[in-house]
Amino acid sequence: ILNVEQSPQSLHVQEGDSTNFTCSFPSSNFYALHWYRWETAKSPEALFVMTLNGDEKKKGRISATLNTKEGYSYLYIKGSQPEDSATYLCAPPQAGTALIFGKGTTLSVSS
Amino acid sequence: NAGVMQNPRHLVRRRGQEARLRCSPMKGHSHVYWYRQLPEEGLKFMVYLQKENIIDESGMPKERFSAEFPKEGPSILRIQQVVRGDSAAYFCASSPPGGRREAFFGQGTRLTVV
Repeated sequence: ILNVEQSPQSLHVQEGDSTNFTCSFPSSNFYALHWYRWETAKSPEALFVMTLNGDEKKKGRISATLNTKEGYSYLYIKGSQPEDSATYLCAPPQAGTALIFGKGTTLSVSS
Repeated sequence: NAGVMQNPRHLVRRRGQEARLRCSPMKGHSHVYWYRQLPEEGLKFMVYLQKENIIDESGMPKERFSAEFPKEGPSILRIQQVVRGDSAAYFCASSPPGGRREAFFGQGTRLTVV
């Protein structure tokens, strides 16, 4: 099973703050990197699937970058809102393997 | 195109009974994943299946738990002789072949063992 590290484990920000967190994974045999958002009492929802080194993807105020050579991805949230409060999960499957998630970063945004 | 359907949404079983959780993947998806959410823990991988094949069951407890994804019908996660520690939310997800397409999750089944 791949070793996936997410940091920080949790963080608390004020509405309007921008924030970012990290997903670290083994750089060898890189195949893809998935980001999901998981709100309390709901099911995880896909944000991004990234495959190329240097990839940058954006969805509204949320963006992600990917560095496959050093084995990390950053997720950025600009101008955090209370509705961004959730746990953000990443998973780096290799070809033909399962989606195995890190423990996630739990974000809490106060208004 | 209906999403991933899990049923039942809530399941109560007495200790020692069997629990059967069902997952119908999205149309066109041939890959299914099962996960368990335990209190204070994240989303723990259990098993990865394709039609009629178990690809990876490294996260599945060795005893009492089994999973299948038959040629026809939903994927089934079966827990025999349930114990209180099996109480959790069980999620399934489905995806097209390969790992470069997003997976879609069902709403989960909340299992309570009394």
